[in-house]
Amino acid sequence: DAGVTQSPTHLIKTRGQHVTLRCSPISGHKSVSWYQQVLGQGPQFIFQYYEKEERGRGNFPDRFSARQFPNYSSELNVNALLLGDSALYLCASSWAQGSSYEQYFGPGTRLTVT
Amino acid sequence: GENVEQHPSTLSVQEGDSAVIKCTYSDSASNYFPWYKQELGKRPQLIIDIRSNVGEKKDQRIAVTLNKTAKHFSLHITETQPEDSAVYFCAIGGGYNKLIFGAGTRLAVHP
Repeated sequence: DAGVTQSPTHLIKTRGQHVTLRCSPISGHKSVSWYQQVLGQGPQFIFQYYEKEERGRGNFPDRFSARQFPNYSSELNVNALLLGDSALYLCASSWAQGSSYEQYFGPGTRLTVT
Repeated sequence: GENVEQHPSTLSVQEGDSAVIKCTYSDSASNYFPWYKQELGKRPQLIIDIRSNVGEKKDQRIAVTLNKTAKHFSLHITETQPEDSAVYFCAIGGGYNKLIFGAGTRLAVHP
């Protein structure tokens, strides 16, 4: 049973650097969403992509960007890293776009900014 | 705007007791209400969900109830076991595939 996969598992970066996180959705799923989970809080929505187009964006600065590829995998990019960007970044996949479709999360990438 | 309040923030029960977690929301257009369980260092795992055309849904020891008029929904866990210990998050579907999460409830089940 191939679930959502993410890479890398852990990452340590310095302030001002750039980072790229990767996600592969469940086979057959066409929608990928990205969330940021700060320690002790619930996940916060960053982006949603469906059929390679951005369909939704949360309240995050322009330093955050993403894209989805023809095979439905996705990348999240964060520029000019700040200490406050340290968090668990979760990717969730869904079969289609719509607020009532189940979303399944990957294991996350733990980003530490020093 | 969209907001979800979750209570309690921590819950401690004895093995075999029931646990109830409640969430209230503000957006009356919400029509999807999932619950996730997150164990330490692991991904959020979808455990049950309910849609606005259903008032209650049950899956073995877990049940969710929805009151759209009052804008609240609850997770009920019966016959709790130590492996139920985790952080539980409620969420609402906020358009697209956007989920808006509550702050979480840390459940501890003591043997």
